[in-house]
Amino acid sequence: DTAVSQTPKYLVTQMGNDKSIKCEQNLGHDTMYWYKQDSKKFLKIMFSYNNKELIINETVPNRFSPKSPDKAHLNLHINSLELGDSAVYFCASSQDSRGSEAFFGQGTRLTVV
Amino acid sequence: GESVGLHLPTLSVQEGDNSIINCAYSNSASDYFIWYKQESGKGPQFIIDIRSNMDKRQGQRVTVLLNKTVKHLSLQIAATQPGDSAVYFCAERQRQLTFGSGTQLTVLP
Repeated sequence: DTAVSQTPKYLVTQMGNDKSIKCEQNLGHDTMYWYKQDSKKFLKIMFSYNNKELIINETVPNRFSPKSPDKAHLNLHINSLELGDSAVYFCASSQDSRGSEAFFGQGTRLTVV
Repeated sequence: GESVGLHLPTLSVQEGDNSIINCAYSNSASDYFIWYKQESGKGPQFIIDIRSNMDKRQGQRVTVLLNKTVKHLSLQIAATQPGDSAVYFCAERQRQLTFGSGTQLTVLP
């Protein structure tokens, strides 16, 4: 049983395309997150949702739009992909809204060509 | 702005030796700290945490030390094994988790 699962694991796409990454957690957590990890392994939070409501939205281009249909799912849709969007995107979840003991998914490696 | 940083980007240790990974943080308002381990191709995995009202916490083969006076956090791994090779991140929490830049630990045979 995978606690936090995200799909796809790899995504290669052309500039200008629109793509989505899906995330699901079966831990019963109230809060879910999206993080971006760059080529230097730096992890930066993008969004945080608590019980389907957006609570953190860091400085992220509005081409990135998170969608939470229920508290077990947090999907990330990206419009008009750019080369600089290439990174590994991690979904995570935690019981509280402040990141305590967050559990991470396996990551989605996005490559924009 | 506030940030979490690591003293060394890479660390190599002999198998069986102890490892110490250091982390400096700058926000004195942080109340909670976590160490994560990230193996190649995987997501970060929780190792151990510590609250700001503590200065030491021990787990299985790992110990986290917190020195609030100098805003320093360290992770000690006893009897380092090949499976410990990974990138280690410290993270501090204020409104949310903020991660440091990571240290690559390599265990030599």
